[in-house]
Order: sequence, then structure tokens, then C-alpha cells
Amino acid sequence: IVLTQSPGTLSLSPGERATLSCRASQTITSTFLAWYRHKPGQAPRLLIYGATSRATGIPDRFSGSGSGTDFTLTISRLQPEDFATYYCQQYASLPRTFGQGTKVEIK
Amino acid sequence: EGQLLESGGGLVQPGGSLTLSCAASGFTFGNFAMSWVRQAPGKGLEWVSHISGIGRTSNSADSVKGRFTTSRDNLKNTLYLQMNSLRADDTALYYCAKHLVGWDVFELWGPGTLVTVSS
Repeated sequence: IVLTQSPGTLSLSPGERATLSCRASQTITSTFLAWYRHKPGQAPRLLIYGATSRATGIPDRFSGSGSGTDFTLTISRLQPEDFATYYCQQYASLPRTFGQGTKVEIK
Repeated sequence: EGQLLESGGGLVQPGGSLTLSCAASGFTFGNFAMSWVRQAPGKGLEWVSHISGIGRTSNSADSVKGRFTTSRDNLKNTLYLQMNSLRADDTALYYCAKHLVGWDVFELWGPGTLVTVSS
């Protein structure tokens, strides 16, 4: 399954809302889709799994939605630590695949 | 939650071999599936392989199938990635990752170890 993320780069200010898209080349069964935040020099961090469930310790400004082939990650109010690259990942079929990433940068 | 620490990376010539290790601590290692994920310079994340908690089943990406072998020693709390016939496009930062129980998502990652394949 090929995952295509858009936009490639999102330029926003702290406090603004970010909407990131992940489109799959075929239906992802059982909403087996996850989102990660990856900051330079750090390990990625799991944000969302099952398309909508927040991982342990993830604040409620992060929310996931979608089903089938179209999924969205929304960050309601960007904090300084949220400026990073975000990846979606599907685990409905092998091989597990990631999208190419969306970079959220400070405007 | 635990910790993961990769080791074994370095510079290797094309066609060479290398074995990466991932030492786990702070959780019951054998209860969790584990994966290797890599990131080539300037590129995104790529899943490499995974292995079940007891090590009975594993799968890998087509790009490494037949060249890389994933294994684990639950008595030593360690995950391994044996890499043979290395190519320049295997150059990447290699992360080990612990699965969220019951899900093939990665809830804990190590800091990564860098593998450079170059003559």
C-alpha cells in the first residue's frame, strides 16, 4: 500500500491549526493507520494508532480521523515542539509502509 | 515504558556484512514484537523487518529480503539485524522499535545507529 501525504510542507505560526492528509493507494482495512512526529536528532514518537486513538501521553490537541483511503491528522493549536516532520504508517498489510512525510515549519 | 539502545553501526564496504544489536530494558522483552525501521539521509522512514515476541515469525521488506535476517535472544533482552551483501542504498540510520501490544505500531524507539556503505 502506497501512502501519499500532503502537503509536503506546511508553514504555520504557533497557536494555529494544522491539518495533514494521508491518502492510501487502496483501502486500509480496520483503520490500521498510525501517525508519528519526528524531530531532527530524535527518535520518532507515536501519536495516533487505529486512525483515531491517541497513544499514551499524547495531548488532546492531536486528533486523527478518516477511514478507507483518506486519513487526517489535526493539531488544534501548534506548540513550539510540534514543528517537526509527521509520518503516517499503515499496518493493514505487508510490507508495512510509511508516507513520505509532511514537514510542519514555523512561518 | 522502557528503553532501547542500538549498536553495531559503522562504515562497511559494498558487499560486506554487519550485525546490529538493540538492547532492551525496563519492560518484559519477550512479550513484545519488535521491528527495525531505517531512514536514509534526507529521506523518510522505511520499515525493514519485524519479529514476533517469541521469535517464531518474522517478515521483511522486499528491499532486504534474502540479505537481512532478524532474530532475538529473549534471555539477553536483545534484538539483532544481520545484514549481508550490503549496498550503498542500505546507508541509513537504523532504529529498533517496540510494538504496542496487539498492534503493529511502534510505541518505543531507540536513538538509532548509523550504517554507511561506501568504498
